[in-house]
Amino acid sequence: DQQVKQNSPSLSVQEGRISILNCDYTNSMFDYFLWYKKYPAEGPTFLISISSIKDKNEDGRFTVFLNKSAKHLSLHIVPSQPGDSAVYFCAASALREGGSEKLVFGKGTKLTVNP
Amino acid sequence: GAGVSQSPRYKVAKRGQDVALRCDPISGHVSLFWYQQALGQGPEFLTYFQNEAQLDKSGLPSDRFFAERPEGSVSTLKIQRTQQEDSAVYLCASSPDGYAAFFGQGTRLTVV
Repeated sequence: DQQVKQNSPSLSVQEGRISILNCDYTNSMFDYFLWYKKYPAEGPTFLISISSIKDKNEDGRFTVFLNKSAKHLSLHIVPSQPGDSAVYFCAASALREGGSEKLVFGKGTKLTVNP
Repeated sequence: GAGVSQSPRYKVAKRGQDVALRCDPISGHVSLFWYQQALGQGPEFLTYFQNEAQLDKSGLPSDRFFAERPEGSVSTLKIQRTQQEDSAVYLCASSPDGYAAFFGQGTRLTVV
């Protein structure tokens, strides 16, 4: 039972255009969401996060949108650059008092930005 | 270095062999996580330490898996009697505030 779903295994966009990566979750207890980028043979690199009290968080070219009622979040990259080509993972956690904020990851979306 | 360091980067083990994977977290990071990533999947939680205390080991797949962090810094993930289904990338992450913000490069374990 996948609690975090990234339904698009891959996405291809042209340089300079917008990349939109989507993520759905099923656990209503999740209240913190993160996006990671992963290059081959490297560990995931934290990109951006959002708390459930917000519906948007922006950091440079990266913006994450959260729609709690739909249990959906998306990552927008604009403008897309060839160096953005990587696998993007959506992750979610549920804050627990005294417990770990372990992350539940989706399977990832491979983004290719073509020059 | 300033990042999370894992060793070895690659490990080939014969089925039934014991292996030990090491993680050096970022200095001063209280929280340390281990994740397992199978091919084509996202990372899956294994266990969590806050300093030397193992607060959550709910993700360890069997009692063949054991993790420790005796002095609250370096951590070791040990897998006894390895099996083919243990083949995966094992990722360590550390965080100053409980979120797995900083990952190491991982150890790719192949059991033959």
